[in-house]
Amino acid sequence: DQQVKQNSPSLSVQEGRISILNCDYTNSMFDYFLWYKKYPAEGPTFLISISSIKDKNEDGRFTVFLNKSAKHLSLHIVPSQPGDSAVYFCAASHMEYGNKLVFGAGTILRVKS
Amino acid sequence: KAGVTQTPRYLIKTRGQQVTLSCSPISGHRSVSWYQQTPGQGLQFLFEYFSETQRNKGNFPGRFSGRQFSNSRSEMNVSTLELGDSALYLCASSLRSGLAGAKGPETQYFGPGTRLLVL
Repeated sequence: DQQVKQNSPSLSVQEGRISILNCDYTNSMFDYFLWYKKYPAEGPTFLISISSIKDKNEDGRFTVFLNKSAKHLSLHIVPSQPGDSAVYFCAASHMEYGNKLVFGAGTILRVKS
Repeated sequence: KAGVTQTPRYLIKTRGQQVTLSCSPISGHRSVSWYQQTPGQGLQFLFEYFSETQRNKGNFPGRFSGRQFSNSRSEMNVSTLELGDSALYLCASSLRSGLAGAKGPETQYFGPGTRLLVL
C-alpha cells in the first residue's frame, strides 16, 4: 500500500518557467512533509519541508504548498534552472515515526535550456 | 566536514549468500537510518539506529538486520540473498533520533549508496 504517491514519473519544463511537482498521501496521521532532490550517483539531498500546521513554506526559489483536506502537497520551483534537473522525492513522516520517512516513487524533472 | 560515506559502492553477490554494508555518518551525528531503493519504488525505510540501539524498524523480513557501533558507524546485513534484494541501499545520518523531539524528523543527510546486484 503506497501511502505517498507521486503520480507523474517525469516532468519537462523550459528554463525560466515554473516547475510544479505534485505529491498525494493517504495516511492522515502524517504531520510532516519533505522534499528531497537526487542527482545520479549521489544520495538524496534535503530541499525543503513543511509541518502540517502550515500551508506554505518558502525557501528562495522553492515553495512547498500543503492542502491537508485534499491530502496533497506540491513543490514549486521558480524560475526553473537546468541545474534543477534531477529526481525529486516527496516524503512524509509522523511524530511517532521518529526519523522514519515514507517516500514517494519520485518524479524526474528535466529543465530544458 | 566530510559527508556520509558508504562502502562498498558496488557489490555483486549470488542467491543464498549474505552481504554486509557499511555506513559512516557525518562526524557528530548519532543517528543512522537505512533505506532500500528499487526501480519504480521510492526509498523504503529499513531501520534506524541511535546510540547503538535500534529505534525504528520498517516492514522487511528478518533477513535484514543492522547494528551500530559506539563511534556511530553502522552496518547492515542481508542473509540468504534473493534476486529481489538487488537494489540501491542508502544510509542517512542525523544529529539525533527524531523520537528525541516533537518537531518532526531530524534533517537527514544521505550517503551515495551501495548498489547491490544479486545474481
